[in-house]
Amino acid sequence: QKEVEQNSGPLSVPEGAIASLNCTYSDRGSQSFFWYRQYSGKSPELIMSIYSNGDKEDGRFTAQLNKASQYVSLLIRDSQPSDSATYLCAVSSSASKIIFGSGTRLSIRP
Amino acid sequence: NAGVTQTPKFRILKIGQSMTLQCAQDMNHNYMYWYRQDPGMGLKLIYYSVGAGITDKGEVPNGYNVSRSTTEDFPLRLELAAPSQTSVYFCASSDHIRTGTTDTQYFGPGTRLTVL
Repeated sequence: QKEVEQNSGPLSVPEGAIASLNCTYSDRGSQSFFWYRQYSGKSPELIMSIYSNGDKEDGRFTAQLNKASQYVSLLIRDSQPSDSATYLCAVSSSASKIIFGSGTRLSIRP
Repeated sequence: NAGVTQTPKFRILKIGQSMTLQCAQDMNHNYMYWYRQDPGMGLKLIYYSVGAGITDKGEVPNGYNVSRSTTEDFPLRLELAAPSQTSVYFCASSDHIRTGTTDTQYFGPGTRLTVL
């Protein structure tokens, strides 16, 4: 079992709709959870971080964390073509250990 | 602030050659990391450092070495390059505010390395 699992996609969503990205993790001791966006040929950039159960909203983005189910998700409302990218889920259980998923490729179709 | 900078952007090596990938940050972050990313894959941690003079192995350290003589710089050394080291290499840094867990990492632009 992979430590951090994501559906590789591609996930195709019409412009203006909600995109839902999911991630599961295996280490119950995990404390920090991140969503990074990576455009093709570019470096990852942080979209959201979440540390406690529940929802965290930032503009069009909402991160949801459920530690009991070992599940973290990212919702993107009013999807735009510029949201087309690969989204990496990252999970940390210590100051040095951070595990990245393989990423979900998101495509927003006009 | 330049953030995290990496040089070179691209490099082609022959099997058996050696090289150093440079990484520098100007955010006064204590934590620095080296990752490699193979096509269609996530990031795998090669080495990390929690401060000047302190380094430790990550998930895939074989074939690499690092040093951290200053807070700003964290070079990655490849000895005896092999085709399996063909990848994109990212350096990252983070502050350390939260105890016992990782804070947000800021990534450099990457170095695309091909070993032929």
